[in-house]
Amino acid sequence: QQQVKQSPQSLIVQKGGISIINCAYENTAFDYFPWYQQFPGKGPALLIAIRPDVSEKKEGRFTISFNKSAKQFSLHIMDSQPGDSATYFCAASGDNNNDMRFGAGTRLTVKP
Amino acid sequence: DVKVTQSSRYLVKRTGEKVFLECVQDMDHENMFWYRQDPGLGLRLIYFSYDVKMKEKGDIPEGYSVSREKKERFSLILESASTNQTSMYLCASNPPPGRETQYFGPGTRLLVL
Repeated sequence: QQQVKQSPQSLIVQKGGISIINCAYENTAFDYFPWYQQFPGKGPALLIAIRPDVSEKKEGRFTISFNKSAKQFSLHIMDSQPGDSATYFCAASGDNNNDMRFGAGTRLTVKP
Repeated sequence: DVKVTQSSRYLVKRTGEKVFLECVQDMDHENMFWYRQDPGLGLRLIYFSYDVKMKEKGDIPEGYSVSREKKERFSLILESASTNQTSMYLCASNPPPGRETQYFGPGTRLLVL
């Protein structure tokens, strides 16, 4: 069963627009929520991460919004650029070494 | 600069063949992981190792085994490859606890004919 549900599956945005990807989780023991970015031919790489003691974290054009009561979190990419075109995975993990769970991924295309 | 390397970028194998996928990390990490990546399913954990010779099954271990004889090396073995094991295989590592950033290799795209 998918413990982390991610939407949309694909997203097309114009250059300069805002890209929004949403995730929902089920396990209330999760307390670390990273986003990974994967370019074609490469492995995923950490983009930004949040812990549930804050509701928002911003790094440059990338922002995570976190809603603990709804068990949802989202990635916002402001002023989207063609170089942001990639697949984005949300994930969630807790205390155990092997309990990180990934969403299904969102393929983002930013059109020039 | 952290580095996780995988022995092959592309592999083509026949049904029934034994397949070895190798992963090496240079960060002295205790934890190593094998995932498979399929469209619409994301990354699914096959096996995890938290120390030399120690392993735990992930969500989809059937048809796979692993070996960790040295801290830096984690091998995934397909004992008898089948067509439904055609996939992208990703290796990752991180220091404990599990919430720490996972560092991924570039992946091995395996085609089983």
